[in-house]
Amino acid sequence: TQLLEQSPQFLSIQEGENLTVYCNSSSVFSSLQWYRQEPGEGPVLLVTVVTGGEVKKLKRLTFQFGDARKDSSLHITAAQPGDTGLYLCAGEVDNQGGKLIFGQGTELSVKP
Amino acid sequence: GAVVSQHPSWVICKSGTSVKIECRSLDFQATTMFWYRQFPKQSLMLMATSNEGSKATYEQGVEKDKFLINHASLTLSTLTVTSAHPEDSSFYICSVPGTGANVLTFGAGSRLTVL
Repeated sequence: TQLLEQSPQFLSIQEGENLTVYCNSSSVFSSLQWYRQEPGEGPVLLVTVVTGGEVKKLKRLTFQFGDARKDSSLHITAAQPGDTGLYLCAGEVDNQGGKLIFGQGTELSVKP
Repeated sequence: GAVVSQHPSWVICKSGTSVKIECRSLDFQATTMFWYRQFPKQSLMLMATSNEGSKATYEQGVEKDKFLINHASLTLSTLTVTSAHPEDSSFYICSVPGTGANVLTFGAGSRLTVL
């Protein structure tokens, strides 16, 4: 069974601080996706990384895929209260048409 | 990505009754859809893969007789929670693969509360 270990599970920081969320696995994924989810809603895709070593930036968010495609990180610079939410990493299982395995999630709270 | 509609968005039922949740792909014909369950403050757990015209593929530990999945057309998959009990109370979310690689769209979810 493929597993994704996401850490930390809870993070409470002050506005303006930086943070990093990690996802690690012993398995190789064909791609890794990061989602953000608001309470009572479905996850919304932030980014997909496919190539080992790939780095993608989305405004203040930087996503990195490990060289071996087993791990990924999300770094937020100068966090704002609007960044508060549940962040989920999800690995795509090879050749299974979109089947995703999710990490445990990181509940982020950014205080003004 | 696809446009996905999930219904109902929330439902309350009595213990022992059955509840049907629909997942519709509004603009894309999906031969495969995925059903997830999410408990409060937890992540999404894949329950099953819904396959159009054939039986669903269930993940280990998911009771196929309790969570009935029917994918009768390319735009509709349904999840029926049979003989629901309070421990089945959860947030159920479907997802639909899109046309591009690595593209997956999630429904808004269905909140089930079993009294």
